[in-house]
Amino acid sequence: DAGVIQSPRHEVTEMGQEVTLRCKPISGHDYLFWYRQTMMRGLELLIYFNNNVPIDDSGMPEDRFSAKMPNASFSTLKIQPSEPRDSAVYFCASSTSGSFNQPQHFGDGTRLSIL
Amino acid sequence: GDSVTQMEGPVTLSEEAFLTINCTYTATGYPSLFWYVQYPGEGLQLLLKATKADDKGSNKGFEATYRKETTSFHLEKGSVQVSDSAVYFCALIGGSARQLTFGSGTQLTVLP
Repeated sequence: DAGVIQSPRHEVTEMGQEVTLRCKPISGHDYLFWYRQTMMRGLELLIYFNNNVPIDDSGMPEDRFSAKMPNASFSTLKIQPSEPRDSAVYFCASSTSGSFNQPQHFGDGTRLSIL
Repeated sequence: GDSVTQMEGPVTLSEEAFLTINCTYTATGYPSLFWYVQYPGEGLQLLLKATKADDKGSNKGFEATYRKETTSFHLEKGSVQVSDSAVYFCALIGGSARQLTFGSGTQLTVLP
């Protein structure tokens, strides 16, 4: 079975540029999560969706960050304009509904470097 | 709010040594508890879980028991291998929230 697919795996860009990260969740999963991982802050939940609707975006650090889920099989996380402090690994994860005990399945992440 | 406190790392062990990584939690209600593992350059993978008190999760020789009385979920393995070198995260989902609350992670290095 295909897992959560993220692209690109690596992104290097200059500050001020727009960055778009992409995620394809596991088919049939109706929850999708975006996380950011840094050495200083560890894993932070940025936003999550249920049935393509954003449920909680309280973790989104600033208005420069936005996330969309236009359909059940695709989500984007956009940073505009990007800053060096946005450098991190960004993970997407998905899970099923039903029992809230269901684990989240993570993609391999996008390593973002803003110069 | 809910929180998870994990043993500070890094932890360095010799192959075949016994491993314990401590994890305690604070949560309202009765959370489900998880251990995730992250190998270098990869995303997090679920290692094991426990959904109620006294449950024992186990996988790949790792075990953890949900202890409500001590609000703990310590990870153990009797004999570690070099291939177990990774970062281990304790996490919980509490109440009706879908949000995983993670600990800070513990880096484990196993030397041959």
